[in-house]
Amino acid sequence: ETGVTQTPRHLVMGMTNKKSLKCEQHLGHNAMYWYKQSAKKPLELMFVYNFKEQTENNSVPSRFSPECPNSSHLFLHLHTLQPEDSALYLCASSQVRVMNTEAFFGQGTRLTVV
Amino acid sequence: GQQVMQIPQYQHVQEGEDFTTYCNSSTTLSNIQWYKQRPGGHPVFLIQLVKSGEVKKQKRLTFQFGEAKKNSSLHITATQTTDVGTYFCAGPVIKAAGNKLTFGGGTRVLVKP
Repeated sequence: ETGVTQTPRHLVMGMTNKKSLKCEQHLGHNAMYWYKQSAKKPLELMFVYNFKEQTENNSVPSRFSPECPNSSHLFLHLHTLQPEDSALYLCASSQVRVMNTEAFFGQGTRLTVV
Repeated sequence: GQQVMQIPQYQHVQEGEDFTTYCNSSTTLSNIQWYKQRPGGHPVFLIQLVKSGEVKKQKRLTFQFGEAKKNSSLHITATQTTDVGTYFCAGPVIKAAGNKLTFGGGTRVLVKP
């Protein structure tokens, strides 16, 4: 059973809608991540937060806006998306040390943009 | 930036046979991790290798880290239908600003009964 919870599990939204994805981790980790998984790019890193600070934005379009209010919660705000943004969005967390520990993934949000 | 490549992209295996999937990094890694994602599921951590030349086994799975710490392999013996899924390797990028994991493209394993 994963210690990382994502909601919703499925989301269908129109191109003019605004929605948010939520991720919560119960593992006491200090780093959280958003990944996009599609047929073209199996696991594409989008954003990294270390100690609530964004440390990586992997050239993600501004229609995706992350928010990390505390070390346990991570959001991905979506607006004016395109059909090609349809994918599985995975949240992950890890405990950052000198030697990186493993990432724990949530079950993902399956997003369909119509 | 660091790139992690995996081959093959797809692996069709007859049940009972062995196969190997390979992972290559463009840079030397401090460690390498392997994950498995079942169809419809999410990636789940399998193992981490740290030392040069390290070999670890999990039942029918054997993981190896290359001597130069730039490549790794996963060998599965006597493949079973439960081995179906996508296997990813991942290498950490450790930076002062914060760490991240770079994943390979994965090897999707299909088992023929």
